[in-house]
Order: sequence, then structure tokens, then C-alpha cells
Amino acid sequence: GAVVSQHPSRVICKSGTSVKIECRSLDFQATTMFWYRQFPKQSLMLMATSNEGSKATYEQGVEKDKFLINHASLTLSTLTVTSAHPEDSSFYICSARDPGTAADTIYFGEGSWLTVV
Amino acid sequence: SQKIEQNSEALNIQEGKTATLTCNYTNYSPAYLQWYRQDPGRGPVFLLLIRENEKEKRKERLKVTFDTTLKQSLFHITASQPADSATYLCALVPFSGGYNKLIFGAGTRLAVHP
Repeated sequence: GAVVSQHPSRVICKSGTSVKIECRSLDFQATTMFWYRQFPKQSLMLMATSNEGSKATYEQGVEKDKFLINHASLTLSTLTVTSAHPEDSSFYICSARDPGTAADTIYFGEGSWLTVV
Repeated sequence: SQKIEQNSEALNIQEGKTATLTCNYTNYSPAYLQWYRQDPGRGPVFLLLIRENEKEKRKERLKVTFDTTLKQSLFHITASQPADSATYLCALVPFSGGYNKLIFGAGTRLAVHP
């Protein structure tokens, strides 16, 4: 079946640096991908919708200059956390919709743990 | 305000019994509702979807009901097994947002004991 892959699965970075997380759809083309953040024992919170070839749509309260999203191809979206701070430490998850299936089929990646020290 | 609520307390049941998890929502008009399984440190895995005009959906040992009057969905696992132990998330898709926007509850942790 369709698979969404994230890389890296875990990353540790120093405060003030930037870190990039990749989200790939492995066997389908995704015009739309979604980025979520999840803190321990809390729900997934949608951060932004990544649209291939255009600007991402950010949810209210999410800083677009801090969380840069690029969706340069139909199989790859990247999330860059700029000038990371310890409070950015979280579990980041992407998802993508396979347009070749029913409109409600959304696949999630395995997630990326970010720790900012 | 808009809310999706799942029981935050863990549900502990004996192997072989039926597990029932609850998802209540307030001030949403969902087009459909989905249930996901999430294991620690992993991304969610899709289990079942039920539309607003459907009352019940089944898949193997799983059953989902949807009551738009009560604004509630119930998720059942029959003949539960220790391997079913995980956190189960409900997520609704509102009519607005292009049917892409998933709004998640915080999840309920299920522990099935041998």
C-alpha cells in the first residue's frame, strides 16, 4: 500500500540552529501534504498544509517564518525549523493524501523526534 | 468552543473482552470521522472511517458507530488481544476545509492484559 516516509526519525540540534525534516510519498504523488506537531500525551496539532508548487497554508498561531515549508515536488515536502529553541522539541508528523484513492485516504509518516538542546 | 474529547484515562481490560472507546465532539459538523491507532513514538495508522450519514462500520474485530445527535462516536474492539494495546485517536473532518483537515482528539490509551 501507499507509504509516507519521514527523515530523520530522530534529530538533536543545538539551540539557535536550523533543522530540516523531509516527508516523502513513496509510491504515489501527493499534491497536498500536512505537517503536525504532537507533544507528549497530547493530540496531533495541524501546523500547516503544504501545497506542491505554491505557498503553504499555516494554521493560526503557527509562525511561518519559523517553520518553513517547501513542497518542491509531488513526492517531497520539507519542514525546516529555523532558529530552534528547546520549546520546539516535539514529535513532528507529516501526512499525505493519495489522489488515486478515495478522497478520504490519508497516510501518515512515522514521525520525527526533534530535541533542541 | 470547539472540542473533541476522548477519555484521557487509560482503559485496562482483560484479553478476550470487548474494548469500547468514546469520542465526543462539540461545535463541529463533521463530514466524517476516522479512528487511528498510534503506538509510542510512531505515526498514526488509519483504522476505520465513518461518514456522517452512516450509523455503523465494521472491519474484522473493529466496529465504529456514529451518532450525530449525541455528537459521539464509539470504537469497539471485540475479542481483544494484548497486541491491541496502543493509543487510539479519533479525528474528525469538518465539512469546511476541503475535506483534508483532520482534527484529532488527544487519544485514549488501551491496555489489554493477558
